[in-house]
Amino acid sequence: DADVTQTPRNRITKTGKRIMLECSQTKGHDRMYWYRQDPGLGLRLIYYSFDVKDINKGEISDGYSVSRQAQAKFSLSLESAIPNQTALYFCATSDRLAGRTDTQYFGPGTRLTVL
Amino acid sequence: GQSLEQPSEVTAVEGAIVQINCTYQTSGFYGLSWYQQHDGGAPTFLSYNGLDGLEETGRFSSFLSRSDSYGYLLLQELQMKDSASYFCAVWRDDKIIFGKGTRLHILP
Repeated sequence: DADVTQTPRNRITKTGKRIMLECSQTKGHDRMYWYRQDPGLGLRLIYYSFDVKDINKGEISDGYSVSRQAQAKFSLSLESAIPNQTALYFCATSDRLAGRTDTQYFGPGTRLTVL
Repeated sequence: GQSLEQPSEVTAVEGAIVQINCTYQTSGFYGLSWYQQHDGGAPTFLSYNGLDGLEETGRFSSFLSRSDSYGYLLLQELQMKDSASYFCAVWRDDKIIFGKGTRLHILP
């Protein structure tokens, strides 16, 4: 079984709809992250969480919200989707015990299209 | 500001050696990491340089020079399966910052 899973893997929605992307991990890591990837722009951090009670904004948090329901679950919501949120979304985890490398372990990604 | 600069594309021949550079305009980070991403896949960790110098892992090596604000990933004995995008990244202020990635094309 995959260590970091994301659901759904693909989603097509319409402008104005509320969307939730879910991430679960079995790695036992305390840190979780949401990134979006656009062609030519690399990976940009949306939100991150170092434990259940810790939520932090990343580089591009506007238009997004998150919830850390448990150590193993971190969901990303688009309250009112717009076309420029069409992108590939990745969840990632890391282990604070990894120290300063903070190696990221990525899920398979969710391809979101907003029409 | 904080930024990592990489070439957008590099082309090399199967069996050859290729170097992918990463220059940065940020300070106070702990080290430089490299990730590989195949088309349709997720990024996967390749290597980390916490200290200046060369780190070797099989066919891949990575180098960091803090005084030159520069690092690189060296891929030897290129194989077609090495065709992918490669990202450098630094950890700073409790966040990972990624470069925009270098697309490596390998010719037979």
